[in-house]
Amino acid sequence: GQNIDQPTEMTATEGAIVQINCTYQTSGFNGLFWYQQHAGEAPTFLSYNVLDGLEEKGRFSSFLSRSKGYSYLLLKELQMKDSASYLCAALSGGYQKVTFGIGTKLQVIP
Amino acid sequence: GAVVSQHPSWVICKSGTSVKIECRSLDFQATTMFWYRQFPKQSLMLMATSNEGSKATYEQGVEKDKFLINHASLTLSTLTVTSAHPEDSSFYICSASTGWRERGETQYFGPGTRLLVL
Repeated sequence: GQNIDQPTEMTATEGAIVQINCTYQTSGFNGLFWYQQHAGEAPTFLSYNVLDGLEEKGRFSSFLSRSKGYSYLLLKELQMKDSASYLCAALSGGYQKVTFGIGTKLQVIP
Repeated sequence: GAVVSQHPSWVICKSGTSVKIECRSLDFQATTMFWYRQFPKQSLMLMATSNEGSKATYEQGVEKDKFLINHASLTLSTLTVTSAHPEDSSFYICSASTGWRERGETQYFGPGTRLLVL
């Protein structure tokens, strides 16, 4: 079966750094996505990790450890607009099935 | 590039009626389209995977006779909710994929369709 765990809620201060963790157990694992979703909207793509290590994209970085079934999303220099849900999702199988975690609702406070 | 549209964005219908939702890839050909459902404060749940020209593959617990999926072309997939009931009220999101196992390839999500069944 597929299982993805991430915290349901986090709060952080504007300008700070926050790390959102995700652990997964999937069969036929191919890679790990992070998406941002604002309330009432569809998810938007943030990152995709296939290999172990850290990938940086501006204020956002994503890390993957395949052996540990672990990933995190790092957000730097937090802005109020970063308040959203962050979805961890595992890609598996030949038909690119994506299984989503429940999402971490991040609240950025002044 | 990589734009996916959905129509309608909002639909309100009476219980027992059928509702059709369209998902289109506007500037690329999507070999595979996915249909998700999201209830309030829950994550996206995959309903079915649709490949052009073949029957959709439904996830466990999703009734294929209730949620009819047609993927007639490389740019269009439709989801029909037949005999809708209030418990079918949800946010339906499609995504489109260009192919297999491409490094960094993403699923491109449509904006979603909010369905309210009265």
